[in-house]
Amino acid sequence: DAMVIQNPRYQVTQFGKPVTLSCSQTLNHNVMYWYQQKSSQAPKLLFHYYDKDFNNEADTPDNFQSRRPNTSFCFLDIRSPGLGDAAMYLCATSRLGREQFFGPGTRLTVL
Amino acid sequence: TQLLEQSPQFLSIQEGENLTVYCNSSSVFSSLQWYRQEPGEGPVLLVTVVTGGEVKKLKRLTFQFGDARKDSSLHITAAQPGDTGLYLCAGAVGYQKVTFGTGTKLQVIP
Repeated sequence: DAMVIQNPRYQVTQFGKPVTLSCSQTLNHNVMYWYQQKSSQAPKLLFHYYDKDFNNEADTPDNFQSRRPNTSFCFLDIRSPGLGDAAMYLCATSRLGREQFFGPGTRLTVL
Repeated sequence: TQLLEQSPQFLSIQEGENLTVYCNSSSVFSSLQWYRQEPGEGPVLLVTVVTGGEVKKLKRLTFQFGDARKDSSLHITAAQPGDTGLYLCAGAVGYQKVTFGTGTKLQVIP
């Protein structure tokens, strides 16, 4: 089945220790998104890629970076996680202008 | 900036009751999606509506897009515990980024 896969599902890191979350898709969608979601709130868009074009949201902290080495994969790097970065991180994909399909998310805990 | 307000924010009902969730905006959207998200999981797409006045049914769920494409509603008939979750509407304007609603947390008590 075509899908969006996120690894790991649960990630524990220490304050200030870099962490990388990964997302892969078999849908061949040209747009990939990273969202942060806290405690039953709506997902907050961090950035998205349209093919290789990177689009950062104005209020996304510099601490968050992303890489998309090819169509199928996208990574979220948190350079120095703080306690406030503990959240669910959601990856989504879409065709341009069409509905988004989400992965199962990665729950990040910062100790 | 488009804003999507959902109401109610929280809803706790008994199994078998009916409910309606609203998603309202002052902006016009070219399409609107409804998602359900269970705890610890990603949102799952339920439906996309694109035409003003459109009504779509998914088993016990009925979705309606307002005539002016500024609002939408989700009606659940005879709610079941499996309907428990966070319901999110999301609106898009052409190729611009999607705006998510504020969310409605539904609990269906057996």
